[in-house]
Amino acid sequence: GAVVSQHPSWVICKSGTSVKIECRSLDFQATTMFWYRQFPKQSLMLMATSNEGSKATYEQGVEKDKFLINHASLTLSTLTVTSAHPEDSSFYICSAVSGGAIGELFFGEGSRLTVL
Amino acid sequence: GESVGLHLPTLSVQEGDNSIINCAYSNSASDYFIWYKQESGKGPQFIIDIRSNMDKRQGQRVTVLLNKTVKHLSLQIAATQPGDSAVYFCAEKAAGNKLTFGGGTRVLVKP
Repeated sequence: GAVVSQHPSWVICKSGTSVKIECRSLDFQATTMFWYRQFPKQSLMLMATSNEGSKATYEQGVEKDKFLINHASLTLSTLTVTSAHPEDSSFYICSAVSGGAIGELFFGEGSRLTVL
Repeated sequence: GESVGLHLPTLSVQEGDNSIINCAYSNSASDYFIWYKQESGKGPQFIIDIRSNMDKRQGQRVTVLLNKTVKHLSLQIAATQPGDSAVYFCAEKAAGNKLTFGGGTRVLVKP
């Protein structure tokens, strides 16, 4: 089946630094990717929809200047957490749509960010 | 806003027994639902899906039931195994392929 890869799988950074997380669709092209955030023992919350070649669409309450999303190609979307703070520590998960049907939605393995 | 929720946060089940995980949704316009399994430190894994024009769908050891009258969704796991221990989420499709996830139920399988 289709595979979505995230990198890094975990990262530790200092407060004030920026961290970039990559989401790649390995064997299909994805015009749309989604970024989710998950705190411990909680559900996934959609942060933004990443569209190839255009600006991302952010959910209400998500700071677009803090969470920069770039979807430069049909196989890669990146999420950059700028000026990270400890409260940004979370599990970030991406998903990619293959073929346009909701049933063909594949999730990455997630990236755990810890901000010290 | 619209939301998807679960009744039970934790379900303990004896190995070999059947498990039933419930989910309530509030958006009557939702037309597609998915159950996901998430193991610790990993991304969600697709289990089974169902469209609103169906009330039951079966997979391998899993069955999803949809009751649109009361906006209720359930996942049944037959002969629960230790490998089924995980957190299970229901999700509903919103506009533009966006998914809204429920709160999650942790399933603990006792040997």
